[in-house]
Amino acid sequence: GEDVEQSLFLSVREGDSSVINCTYTDSSSTYLYWYKQEPGAGLQLLTYIFSNMDMKQDQRLTVLLNKKDKHLSLRIADTQTGDSAIYFCAEIPQGGKLIFGQGTELSVKP
Amino acid sequence: GAVVSQHPSWVICKSGTSVKIECRSLDFQATTMFWYRQFPKQSLMLMATSNEGSKATYEQGVEKDKFLINHASLTLSTLTVTSAHPEDSSFYICSAAHRPPSTDTQYFGPGTRLTVL
Repeated sequence: GEDVEQSLFLSVREGDSSVINCTYTDSSSTYLYWYKQEPGAGLQLLTYIFSNMDMKQDQRLTVLLNKKDKHLSLRIADTQTGDSAIYFCAEIPQGGKLIFGQGTELSVKP
Repeated sequence: GAVVSQHPSWVICKSGTSVKIECRSLDFQATTMFWYRQFPKQSLMLMATSNEGSKATYEQGVEKDKFLINHASLTLSTLTVTSAHPEDSSFYICSAAHRPPSTDTQYFGPGTRLTVL
């Protein structure tokens, strides 16, 4: 079946790197996504990766994709207090419905 | 680009009344819009898929007569919660599907906090 899993919490110090991990089960997705949700707000599309890619870098964000292990990660370099939020990984298997992980709450301590 | 708005951002209503929430794609046309519900500290739960000019497709367990969805134009979808009760209190988020990188990519609105007294 379709399932996306993430760890629930991550705490880092300001200036450190954060790595948020995600595993998924359906390998038919063309794209995999990372969304950011700040308290009381909607979801912001942070970045995405095409399923044929292994890595994508976008400023402080690095996405790694291991298709063999069905593992996706998001690395945030030089994490700032403004990065504190909930991060959702998501995929769209054949059929068009977005499947979310449970969300990882990132807490950045000064 | 790909901005989605929702109105209102929050609403408080009495039990038994109906509440309408609007979702607009501001700078693009969206054939498909989605309505989600989110409980505190939880992920999003898809309620229905809304296609312009046709009836919405509801997920299993979502009452279509209670959550009325209308997608009358390529930039507007509305969700009406009819005869609202306290258990309908939640955070409702819409999204619109748009390029890039694919027609499936969803861009989300800021959400509407509904509180039913």
